[in-house]
Amino acid sequence: NAGVTQTPKFQVLKTGQSMTLQCAQDMNHEYMSWYRQDPGMGLRLIHYSVGAGITDQGEVPNGYNVSRSTTEDFPLRLLSAAPSQTSVYFCASSFGFRGTQYFGPGTRLLVL
Amino acid sequence: DAKTTQPNSMESNEEEPVHLPCNHSTISGTDYIHWYRQLPSQGPEYVIHGLTSNVNNRMASLAIAEDRKSSTLILHRATLRDAAVYYCILMRNYGGSQGNLIFGKGTKLSVKP
Repeated sequence: NAGVTQTPKFQVLKTGQSMTLQCAQDMNHEYMSWYRQDPGMGLRLIHYSVGAGITDQGEVPNGYNVSRSTTEDFPLRLLSAAPSQTSVYFCASSFGFRGTQYFGPGTRLLVL
Repeated sequence: DAKTTQPNSMESNEEEPVHLPCNHSTISGTDYIHWYRQLPSQGPEYVIHGLTSNVNNRMASLAIAEDRKSSTLILHRATLRDAAVYYCILMRNYGGSQGNLIFGKGTKLSVKP
């Protein structure tokens, strides 16, 4: 049981490039979410999903796209990277939308 | 969303109890009080949660005030591994944002040997 996995661990992008941050969970959790954490700050919710085919925006969705075609995977797409998107990105999942959330180890993204 | 207020930082000695306070004066009747912690360079991990009654688990205890406007996370014997940022979060139990965790800046706990 791997829990929540995220790839890559670290990525450097140039302004304007696009990329996809991967998140997968093997706990059959319906609820999945993406957060970003800037230095010295708490986490902020980007997008979330309550099940396959259903996604919604969180607090800071601009510049990011998500889709949920399977229960296991919830990728986060950066359409055109900007330096303001330099951050650490965490994916989380829970059995129900009010359940205990399990977080992945994070992806550190640097946009030059 | 209902807001929580926590001290920026606290210090503790190893093997002593730690009481981490949280104020949430605008809590609504169905908001759950959740605590998560984040060890250095890791993702947050769940600690404990409650609604009205005090709660205990293997990691900690949660004491909730009778009016629910404040709560305290209690670590009974701090260890060096407990050094982390502790987040007190209100989880909405209804409506469009139910289930989402709204993080504040948390309390950075330092544990001295």
